[in-house]
Amino acid sequence: DAGVIQSPRHEVTEMGQEVTLRCKPISGHDYLFWYRQTMMRGLELLIYFNNNVPIDDSGMPEDRFSAKMPNASFSTLKIQPSEPRDSAVYFCASQLGGASTDTQYFGPGTRLTVL
Amino acid sequence: GDSVTQMEGPVTLSEEAFLTINCTYTATGYPSLFWYVQYPGEGLQLLLKATKADDKGSNKGFEATYRKETTSFHLEKGSVQVSDSAVYFCALYNAGNMLTFGGGTRLMVKP
Repeated sequence: DAGVIQSPRHEVTEMGQEVTLRCKPISGHDYLFWYRQTMMRGLELLIYFNNNVPIDDSGMPEDRFSAKMPNASFSTLKIQPSEPRDSAVYFCASQLGGASTDTQYFGPGTRLTVL
Repeated sequence: GDSVTQMEGPVTLSEEAFLTINCTYTATGYPSLFWYVQYPGEGLQLLLKATKADDKGSNKGFEATYRKETTSFHLEKGSVQVSDSAVYFCALYNAGNMLTFGGGTRLMVKP
């Protein structure tokens, strides 16, 4: 298996632009997670899906952030409009099931820079 | 709510030194405990895990034992290598399908 795939790996954009980050989870995994990592705040869970349905989006910073999972093999995280404080590394992770013994598998991340 | 506390880094060691990274947790019930490692420019990878009290997780020479009495899951390795330089995250998984991560500890190993 190719693992969790994220694109793009790097994104540089200007303040006010729309940014879309993409994720392909491991085939057969029922759970998908979006995280943000910064030096100041560490690793934060933004939102997670179970069987394509958003379960908990309490970590989404504000209305400028939205996430979708139209099917089991694809998810997007969109920021509109982007701001410099959104600069971070965004990780997608997937998990087979909801058991506490299951492992989350992380993608390589998208490094976002908003100028 | 659940929380994980790790020792702050960076931890700087010479090659072949003994490593300990402390991790303690607060949780209700019986969480599973994990150590993840993040190498430069990469995502997090599972290093080891333990799912019940007194379990020992091990991988690549690293070990950690689930100590319920002290609510700890300290990471150890007997002889570190330069290639072990990375950021290490302790995490717990409890009811709610979410991992709770510690703040991460950067390890730097010098030749």
